[in-house]
Amino acid sequence: SYELTQPPSVSVSPGQTARITCSGDALPKQYAYWYQQKPGQAPVLVIYKDSERPSGIPERFSGSSSGTTVTLTISGVQAEDEADYYCQSADSSGTVVFGGGTKLTVL
Amino acid sequence: QVQLVESGGGVVQPGRSLRLSCAASGFTFSSYAMHWVRQAPGKGLEWVAVISYDGSNKYYADSVKGRFTISRDNSKNTLYLQMNSLRAEDTAVYYCARGPHATGTTYGDAFDIWGQGTMVTVSS
Repeated sequence: SYELTQPPSVSVSPGQTARITCSGDALPKQYAYWYQQKPGQAPVLVIYKDSERPSGIPERFSGSSSGTTVTLTISGVQAEDEADYYCQSADSSGTVVFGGGTKLTVL
Repeated sequence: QVQLVESGGGVVQPGRSLRLSCAASGFTFSSYAMHWVRQAPGKGLEWVAVISYDGSNKYYADSVKGRFTISRDNSKNTLYLQMNSLRAEDTAVYYCARGPHATGTTYGDAFDIWGQGTMVTVSS
């Protein structure tokens, strides 16, 4: 079955830039989406269609795509950005797939 | 405001059934595809099922195919998940989430609105 691969964890100091990657063979043909999930809360959409940001999401969140890898970048990380981040896309038949999630730790 | 509220979770024995509900408000429910997504304790997100805006198309993850049924009642603005033959591995928080509008949406195939989730525990 199709998989999206994310690093289990990323750590950065406040004010630095965090980059979270997501790899999958179908990503060149399917959009990727990113969600932020804080403990005990539902996920929140932070990036759609690889690089678009929903209204209300801070400008420090951005997304990019290159080949089979998409990247969520958080510039000037703040303590409140500490959370789990999940990428989501679809396989060639359109079946929804989530990455395994990345825990972002703000040191 | 736009809102999804799940209900129906609880503790159930293996092999038994449970039906989850998701009440929608603040938007035209009948115009959107809807999904169920689950999250086992301490684990990541797992997509479960999707239903088209009019209920004519339904798709399931392999892990629940043949045991779970997604449905909707657009007159009641409510999404359902009928779960039969439950197993210990079905233990999770179940979220309903809004998918794309029937005529396309700015957000593509994103899940732009999520409920708060309802916990299902399968245990003897």
